[in-house]
Amino acid sequence: QISLKESGPTLVQPTQSLTLTCTFSGFSLPSPGAGVGWFRQSPGKAPEWLALIYWDGDERYRSSLKTRLTITKDTSKNQVVLTLANIQPADAGVYYCAHRRLGFGELFDNWGQGTRVTVSS
Amino acid sequence: DILMTQSPSSLSASLGDRVTITCQASQDITTYVSWLQQKPGKAPELLIHDASKLEIGVPSRFSGSGSGTHFSFTITSLQPEDIATYYCQQYDTLPITFGQGTRLDIK
Repeated sequence: QISLKESGPTLVQPTQSLTLTCTFSGFSLPSPGAGVGWFRQSPGKAPEWLALIYWDGDERYRSSLKTRLTITKDTSKNQVVLTLANIQPADAGVYYCAHRRLGFGELFDNWGQGTRVTVSS
Repeated sequence: DILMTQSPSSLSASLGDRVTITCQASQDITTYVSWLQQKPGKAPELLIHDASKLEIGVPSRFSGSGSGTHFSFTITSLQPEDIATYYCQQYDTLPITFGQGTRLDIK
């Protein structure tokens, strides 16, 4: 059974960096085709895709955030880490990580519960 | 980026009603569309992928159809537990993009 859980700070000051960790179970990220993605959602808005890391270490980013985002993986810990630099109030929201289904392109089938991030000084 | 135009943005219906939501993609995405349900305070949940394929465990009153640029999602007999916001999503091309969402409530 696939499970993911996000963790990280709930309050971040403007201009600081936000580091979120996705800890997962039920699948192996080194398996060919595997991937973990990050999404975020502002109140009352649709989710927004942020980044994706594949089993082979390839990374993909939302173009508008590319200069601020970094995604990494630690396969020994079954974790994927997302870092967002120079955080601003517009970055507040709920951040989710999700599992990329094997053999279905960029389909994400299991989402974590989400972690809420507030940006305030 | 592929734009997903979803309508309506909100919908009120009675229990037992048939409910349909539509989604139009700004370019041909074959059938790389999924539909997600999100209840307040919860993560989105995948209901349908490949435009019409139901996820395991999802009730058969949910269905999806379409290909190319026009897609639809239907609940054949609305139940109280279906109250949620529904999103279409394309996964043909990165960036993955979502429709604006349809908030469904009971009339």
